[in-house]
Amino acid sequence: AQSVTQLGSHVSVSEGALVLLRCNYSSSVPPYLFWYVQYPNQGLQLLLKYTSAATLVKGINGFEAEFKKSETSFHLTKPSAHMSDAAEYFCAVSEAQGDKIIFGKGTRLHILP
Amino acid sequence: KAGVTQTPRYLIKTRGQQVTLSCSPISGHRSVSWYQQTPGQGLQFLFEYFSETQRNKGNFPGRFSGRQFSNSRSEMNVSTLELGDSALYLCASSTGTSGVGSDTQYFGPGTRLTVL
Repeated sequence: AQSVTQLGSHVSVSEGALVLLRCNYSSSVPPYLFWYVQYPNQGLQLLLKYTSAATLVKGINGFEAEFKKSETSFHLTKPSAHMSDAAEYFCAVSEAQGDKIIFGKGTRLHILP
Repeated sequence: KAGVTQTPRYLIKTRGQQVTLSCSPISGHRSVSWYQQTPGQGLQFLFEYFSETQRNKGNFPGRFSGRQFSNSRSEMNVSTLELGDSALYLCASSTGTSGVGSDTQYFGPGTRLTVL
């Protein structure tokens, strides 16, 4: 069965500091992996998607994530946090070409001035 | 291109009532999926409709149902509302080529349902 775990329901970083949001998954088959962002009172927006091509995936707004099969991880990073990055971030896993997508519980990112 | 729209944005109902939520996908998209988002359970997949047929279904009781029209617009219905149905209901559209597992989904802003 697939599952996804996001470590830390809340993460705080200072403006300009590195953002690191952690995601570990479990899947019995090669997965597709996603990061979504949700701003207050809005739906989810896709940040980036891993589909078994390059292990380092670049997304929108300066975010990127690296697929590490040996660690079953897909952590999201951004070199320099901006106030506008404050939002909730969701990691999700699915089976390639599958009919199910499982979301993590989400990590709320706070940016400190 | 217009995004995914959901109506209404906010809804208050009482226990035992039923409710219908509407979702209009991005033009050209044939798949619409529905999700329930709550603080306790997070985001959970309800069902997916593709070309007017339910293609996939999550683990929700039969009180939750949906349909899709020929123009790809979709409605979700919840009958005999319970307090625990209070949630943000999100719909997402995609081309439907491969399924929710791999297609890029575009989410609407959601309908906030409060059950009193």
